[in-house]
Amino acid sequence: GENVEQHPSTLSVQEGDSAVIKCTYSDSASNYFPWYKQELGKRPQLIIDIRSNVGEKKDQRIAVTLNKTAKHFSLHITETQPEDSAVYFCALGTSGTYKYIFGTGTRLKVLA
Amino acid sequence: DSGVTQTPKHLITATGQRVTLRCSPRSGDLSVYWYQQSLDQGLQFLIQYYNGEERAKGNILERFSAQQFPDLHSELNLSSLELGDSALYFCASSSGTSRETQYFGPGTRLLVL
Repeated sequence: GENVEQHPSTLSVQEGDSAVIKCTYSDSASNYFPWYKQELGKRPQLIIDIRSNVGEKKDQRIAVTLNKTAKHFSLHITETQPEDSAVYFCALGTSGTYKYIFGTGTRLKVLA
Repeated sequence: DSGVTQTPKHLITATGQRVTLRCSPRSGDLSVYWYQQSLDQGLQFLIQYYNGEERAKGNILERFSAQQFPDLHSELNLSSLELGDSALYFCASSSGTSRETQYFGPGTRLLVL
């Protein structure tokens, strides 16, 4: 069945550096690509999402890029701060189905 | 606050017992999803309901069952509990389509001793 591969599983960056997390999927019908952030002991929360009719979306220090041809999408965090330390999950959804699949998560550590 | 509520917040029980976790979705949301998250693990999808009907099933054990009631709240029943069932159980809700944000509740932390 459909799944989404997320890499890396852990990522450590120095404060101020950029972080990139990538997810690869197989179903070309997938057309909704959200990213969730889960801080320690808390619930996952949506931080940004993109739909298949656009290639990039930005929200301050966070951006998501989508390459539908290659079937991958990425989360970019610039000027990382200690409060960006969390687990990040990608997910994907497909119109006309109830399918909503989460990636395996990336633990990001921002080192001060 | 996401608008999704879950009770109880914490639950401690013994092996072999049965528990019920409750979730109330955001106002207006028709879909409810249940996830299991073990320590340092990802989100394991269990089951989804839409307007009272089961819509998708993940890796849900036969010892587990769920339902969504006419008022749209949902319950997850876990029976014959084992030590390995200890985890954080999240409920999430959405408007219903697979192209919308899922709003997560605060979770129920289950400890099986």
